[in-house]
Amino acid sequence: RKEVEQDPGPFNVPEGATVAFNCTYSNSASQSFFWYRQDCRKEPKLLMSVYSSGNEDGRFTAQLNRASQYISLLIRDSKLSDSATYLCVVSPTGTASKLTFGTGTRLQVTL
Amino acid sequence: GAGVSQSPSNKVTEKGKDVELRCDPISGHTALYWYRQSLGQGLEFLIYFQGNSAPDKSGLPSDRFSAERTGGSVSTLTIQRTQQEDSAVYLCASSLSAGPETQYFGPGTRLLVL
Repeated sequence: RKEVEQDPGPFNVPEGATVAFNCTYSNSASQSFFWYRQDCRKEPKLLMSVYSSGNEDGRFTAQLNRASQYISLLIRDSKLSDSATYLCVVSPTGTASKLTFGTGTRLQVTL
Repeated sequence: GAGVSQSPSNKVTEKGKDVELRCDPISGHTALYWYRQSLGQGLEFLIYFQGNSAPDKSGLPSDRFSAERTGGSVSTLTIQRTQQEDSAVYLCASSLSAGPETQYFGPGTRLLVL
């Protein structure tokens, strides 16, 4: 089983739609969680950290469910510019600097 | 300010040759990471440097891979006797300190081994 699993997609949604991605992780002791965004042939960039209480940044909402070991990302009012691959990232206990990346979920927002 | 830079941006080499990839982290960042991203795969951790501590080499896939960081700044990833399966994008990242700080990635070096 992969340490971090994501549905690769692609998710094809019209502009304005709401879309949600889930990610599961296998290490129950993981402490830190992030969503990164990666545009085609570009480097990953931090989108947002994921806190236990859930957090929101504009149209983006991230949630963590420790009991079920999954993380979610909700994007409201999708824009064309949201088209990218969204990487779920987990930091394991003890080696907090060594991030484990999922393979990503590809989102394509269309007119 | 300047971000993480990597060179070369693209490298084509023949099987069996050695290659060196360079990373310039953001000034003042003490932590530096190397990752590899193969086609259709997630980022794979290779090695991590933090200040003057011994590097965490646990992700290096074989002894053909090595990395060093001189003066706590620039890092070089060396792949000896390259194989076709080494073809990937090699990404470097830096962060202000150890811990799950935001990691800032460079644009990567695309390596193709023929």
